[in-house]
Amino acid sequence: GAGVSQSPSNKVTEKGKDVELRCDPISGHTALYWYRQSLGQGLEFLIYFQGNSAPDKSGLPSDRFSAERTGGSVSTLTIQRTQQEDSAVYLCASSLSFFYGNTIYFGEGSWLTVV
Amino acid sequence: TQLLEQSPQFLSIQEGENLTVYCNSSSVFSSLQWYRQEPGEGPVLLVTVVTGGEVKKLKRLTFQFGDARKDSSLHITAAQPGDTGLYLCAGSSGSARQLTFGSGTQLTVLP
Repeated sequence: GAGVSQSPSNKVTEKGKDVELRCDPISGHTALYWYRQSLGQGLEFLIYFQGNSAPDKSGLPSDRFSAERTGGSVSTLTIQRTQQEDSAVYLCASSLSFFYGNTIYFGEGSWLTVV
Repeated sequence: TQLLEQSPQFLSIQEGENLTVYCNSSSVFSSLQWYRQEPGEGPVLLVTVVTGGEVKKLKRLTFQFGDARKDSSLHITAAQPGDTGLYLCAGSSGSARQLTFGSGTQLTVLP
């Protein structure tokens, strides 16, 4: 596609339920990133992928969060047993590679509300 | 942990005024980026600065990287309503894999 595509754009879920957020990066981009943004705030790094591997998982807030990427393309961020503090916009981004100098392009985000 | 502090957090000005947004850290960054984000959208890259003391201009926007590569500023001349948005600075310490973002400056330009 022309840009980074994320789905769903909005998700309301009950506390304790699991949610999956999907990211389809720009075609040909090998690096993929997940960030979390609270209302009107800066971005918090969660995880990045180079190809299908995730060398750096240090940003995941807890073991309820996991992410995978298959075929070097689509990625899924899964949040298990959601809590109210998980409510935020989850932004996915991609770049040609993770090396310096490659512009990072963001998707429009998935707005998660846990009630 | 590297932190980036932005100031002011909120800024509301009249069309035609000038403004400056600051991004400060105690850490050294190899490069610093500025993004603008509009409601319901992801951040969009405006500029990357990499050399201490570097100044880049993008129409009415002037970006400067501090000599020590710990701070940066964004100056907007003759602001317009279309400049309204959340401005984010982000520092990189090497590869592009992980950017440290500032908390953002919400700019509102009133007509």
